[in-house]
Amino acid sequence: AIQLTQSPSSLSASVGDRVTISCRASQDIRNDLGWYQQKPGKAPKLLIYAASTLESGVPLRFSGSRSGTDFTLTISGLQSEDFATYYCLQDYNYPQTFGQGTKVEIK
Amino acid sequence: QLQLQESGPGLVKPSETLSLICTVSGGSITSSKYYWGWIRQPPGKGLEWVGNIYYSGSTYYSPSLESRLTISLDTSKNLFSLKLNSVIAADTAVYYCARRRCSGGDWCFWNFDLWGRGTLVTVSS
Repeated sequence: AIQLTQSPSSLSASVGDRVTISCRASQDIRNDLGWYQQKPGKAPKLLIYAASTLESGVPLRFSGSRSGTDFTLTISGLQSEDFATYYCLQDYNYPQTFGQGTKVEIK
Repeated sequence: QLQLQESGPGLVKPSETLSLICTVSGGSITSSKYYWGWIRQPPGKGLEWVGNIYYSGSTYYSPSLESRLTISLDTSKNLFSLKLNSVIAADTAVYYCARRRCSGGDWCFWNFDLWGRGTLVTVSS
């Protein structure tokens, strides 16, 4: 199974900060990776798919990129509603696998 | 707007069968554009993919659960279901159902675009 190594596991940031979260795949998964945001007690929400395509309705401050097997989620100008846990998910092949998650907390 | 809703017992005894239903409203589960999936999350932990089913009935399961897991469709009721046999305490989790969508033109980029609210299932005697 493809492993996704997500880092950091948590981070503290302030409103307005630029935040980057990394997800490294154990093998080539092309662009078959998505990013999900989860708030406490809520279902995950799709933010980005195909590594860099913003889901409809998601604010433009969220962006995704890929370099080989390294994927990055960037939040440019963190807002209060962005404090949450973020997961990457590979959709390249079965079994689908999630990263361990990154909790973004208020500094 | 399509919606998904999980339902089922909140408490299951060890060694028994966990059964959940995901009712889909506002759209058909027989569309070839989508898979239907289950994802779970143990309390305080990360997300774990459980399995998917296609409208044709083809299923794809997590290797760690495959021997105990069955996912099926009921097209007459527009729902899909999950059955997990011989449950243990480690199966305690919030179980989410979700729609897996194909995005893109020439190439499908799959993603879970719609989710149910989730239902907590506790395995305990």
